Order: sequence, then C-alpha cells, then structure tokens
Amino acid sequence: AQSVTQPDIHITVSEGASLELRCNYSYGATPYLFWYVQSPGQGLQLLLKYFSGDTLVQGIKGFEAEFKRSQSSFNLRKPSVHWSDAAEYFCAVGGDSGGGADGLTFGKGTHLIIQP
Amino acid sequence: DAGVIQSPRHEVTEMGQEVTLRCKPISGHDYLFWYRQTMMRGLELLIYFNNNVPIDDSGMPEDRFSAKMPNASFSTLKIQPSEPRDSAVYFCASSLGGGVHEQYFGPGTRLTVT
Repeated sequence: AQSVTQPDIHITVSEGASLELRCNYSYGATPYLFWYVQSPGQGLQLLLKYFSGDTLVQGIKGFEAEFKRSQSSFNLRKPSVHWSDAAEYFCAVGGDSGGGADGLTFGKGTHLIIQP
Repeated sequence: DAGVIQSPRHEVTEMGQEVTLRCKPISGHDYLFWYRQTMMRGLELLIYFNNNVPIDDSGMPEDRFSAKMPNASFSTLKIQPSEPRDSAVYFCASSLGGGVHEQYFGPGTRLTVT
C-alpha cells in the first residue's frame, strides 16, 4: 500500500529565511507526487506536482520541489519565506489513472510557522 | 468559475441522527472525490467517482457511510446513524481526469456529532 511520511509536524522559520519541508513516500510503481497547502479554515490548494521528466519542478508562490527516486523523497523548498506562507503543507502520492488509484494518499502535514 | 461548492459549511448534530453532506463539483470535471480530515488520521480518501460511477469505496469506514452521485453536478455523502467519532472536516474535490491531474478542493464541511 502506498504511504507518505512527513517527518516534521511543526517547523518555525524566520521571515526571509529559506525553507525545506521533507516528504518521503512509498509506492510500488511510478508515483505521481503533489504538494498542497491549506490555510486555516480553507480547502487545499495545489502548489506543484511531479509525474515525469525533470526532477526539479516549479510551482506557484515561488515554491519548488525535487523528486529523488533513490531516496523516495519529494522535498519542498522556497528560498525566502513570507509571513503569508504560514499554513499547513501536505505531501501526497497518487497513481496511474484507470487502475482505481486516482485518489490521493496524504501525509499528516507540516505546520509552518513564520517568525517576524 | 465558482469552484467546488460544499454545503453545509458547518453541521452540528446529535448522535444517532442522519447527516447529509452535499457537493457540487466544477462543471466539466469527470472525477469527484470525498476525503475526511481528522487530527488523528489526517486526510483520508473515502470514495471517488468517475463519470458518476463509484470506482473505489474502500476508504468508507463502515456501512453507516454511503455516497451517491446521481448526476455530473451533484454528490452526497450520508452518515446514518452518526456517531461522535464521525466528527471531522469532510472535503469534496473534483478533477478533469484522474491520476496526475490536479484535484480542486472545496472549502469543506465541519461536522460535529455530540
């Protein structure tokens, strides 16, 4: 069964500092990987996704993530965080469409706190 | 586009009552997903539909839960009878295509069962 691990429940970063959120996955085939962000009381918004090709993917709001198959990781990065980045971040894995695997498996999330 | 619409946004009910959550997906999307979010278990897929047909309901916790999609623009998730452990935020999401395609999430329904 597929699974996603986000080892950090909370992370505190100073505004303007760089950020890296960790994500490790377990999946038997070629994974589709996603990062979503959830602001308080809101639904989830897609930041970026990987399914093939270049292992470094760019997303919205200045985020990027790197897929490392050898490490089963898909870490999210941002060079300089803004106070508005404070939110809950979820890594998710999905599978090939048509195989009954279209739903996503999410990690438990990382709560990002931005210090002024 | 209005996005995915869920109603109600908040629901408080007593144990044993029937609860119905509603979802209107984005027009033209052919996949619809129901997720549940709790502190203990995080975000879990309950069930999803493709072209109004349920594809995978293995995440539905028990027979008290049922979901329907009578047409392309409407889906319901019903809990009967409800229990306190059903308290959670329930999200509906839709996508155009499955697999790698982006799922667009609604704002969620916060359910409290007392």
